[in-house]
Amino acid sequence: NAGVTQTPKFRVLKTGQSMTLLCAQDMNHEYMYWYRQDPGMGLRLIHYSVGEGTTAKGEVPDGYNVSRLKKQNFLLGLESAAPSQTSVYFCASTTSGGQNIQYFGAGTRLSVL
Amino acid sequence: GENVEQHPSTLSVQEGDSAVIKCTYSDSASNYFPWYKQELGKGPQLIIDIRSNVGEKKDQRIAVTLNKTAKHFSLHITETQPEDSAVYFCAARSGGYQKVTFGTGTKLQVIP
Repeated sequence: NAGVTQTPKFRVLKTGQSMTLLCAQDMNHEYMYWYRQDPGMGLRLIHYSVGEGTTAKGEVPDGYNVSRLKKQNFLLGLESAAPSQTSVYFCASTTSGGQNIQYFGAGTRLSVL
Repeated sequence: GENVEQHPSTLSVQEGDSAVIKCTYSDSASNYFPWYKQELGKGPQLIIDIRSNVGEKKDQRIAVTLNKTAKHFSLHITETQPEDSAVYFCAARSGGYQKVTFGTGTKLQVIP
């Protein structure tokens, strides 16, 4: 049972480069989230999705775009990476009802030089 | 929006002692309070949660208490073991779509 899988695990970018982070979940969850984790700041919500084809902004959306073309996948894009986007990115998913536990992936460590 | 404050940021205890982590929240509409444990190099994992209609919940060595009037909740770990060493996050849910606001984390070190 894979749960939530993030790819890649590590990436180094130069300022101005673009990249896409992929999140895949096999639990048939409706809701998916992208967070960034920075030292001393906990986890901050970037964007989220409540279903296939829908996305919404979270707390820190600037500089990021997302897409949810399939229920099981949630993509996070950086069009023009900046050093301020150096962080660890986590994807999470949960159901729309029931216990609402958020299940997290293992994270993507991104460095922007 | 919701604001969650967490203290302390670091905590060192001797093996076998208890550890307590405290959080406060700002939105009186918050109704669900999960606690996550994050081990090095891994994503956060839920260890215990409590809903607003309950004052205390226990699961073996872990317990959580909630004081709605004061808007604070705490995590208690008894008989700590080295494998309890990790970063712990509290969180509060107040809005829709199961969104939660996280605290800034507590790095717990259990010294053998």
